[in-house]
Amino acid sequence: DAGVTQSPTHLIKTRGQHVTLRCSPISGHKSVSWYQQVLGQGPQFIFQYYEKEERGRGNFPDRFSARQFPNYSSELNVNALLLGDSALYLCASSFASEEQFFGPGTRLTVL
Amino acid sequence: GEDVEQSLFLSVREGDSSVINCTYTDSSSTYLYWYKQEPGAGLQLLTYIFSNMDMKQDQRLTVLLNKKDKHLSLRIADTQTGDSAIYFCAESIHYGGSQGNLIFGKGTKLSVKP
Repeated sequence: DAGVTQSPTHLIKTRGQHVTLRCSPISGHKSVSWYQQVLGQGPQFIFQYYEKEERGRGNFPDRFSARQFPNYSSELNVNALLLGDSALYLCASSFASEEQFFGPGTRLTVL
Repeated sequence: GEDVEQSLFLSVREGDSSVINCTYTDSSSTYLYWYKQEPGAGLQLLTYIFSNMDMKQDQRLTVLLNKKDKHLSLRIADTQTGDSAIYFCAESIHYGGSQGNLIFGKGTKLSVKP
């Protein structure tokens, strides 16, 4: 079975641009969560979606938004990029709340 | 607020046991987790423990939970060079209808010397 997949693997943007990151959960998983991992830190929770509805939001500005599609895949959008948005963005999927499986991440560099 | 604390570094010799410690603050956490991250990679779920348990063993891994002290540990028996990685402790927080988001520590970098 395929694990969680994310695209693209790497991305370079300039300040002020916007970016869309994509995630496909493990087949059968209906919940997708997004995390930001800045270099040298642990992942920080951004959003959780379950059955296409937002179920949780972390302490991130409104420049960050997300959505989940009928096939349970998800997109994370970030507008007006700042240098501090440079990070590894991780997507996790789960069937039940006790196990979250992470994808390989998208490495975003903002110049 | 929620906070998860871990020591930043641990160095052991190949074949020895490694013990990575973690403290957390939210007494309502349902599950506590250990994830492994190798350089340039995502997070690999190693094991997790339900908050009403005090020990869980899975092959070379043993998780101990002291709920009174909010202390979690991961013991790796017979540590190998392939175990070198960053290990993250995480607690699961449930808000309203949320199925639980994870609060992570900063990670413990385990170095295994041959």
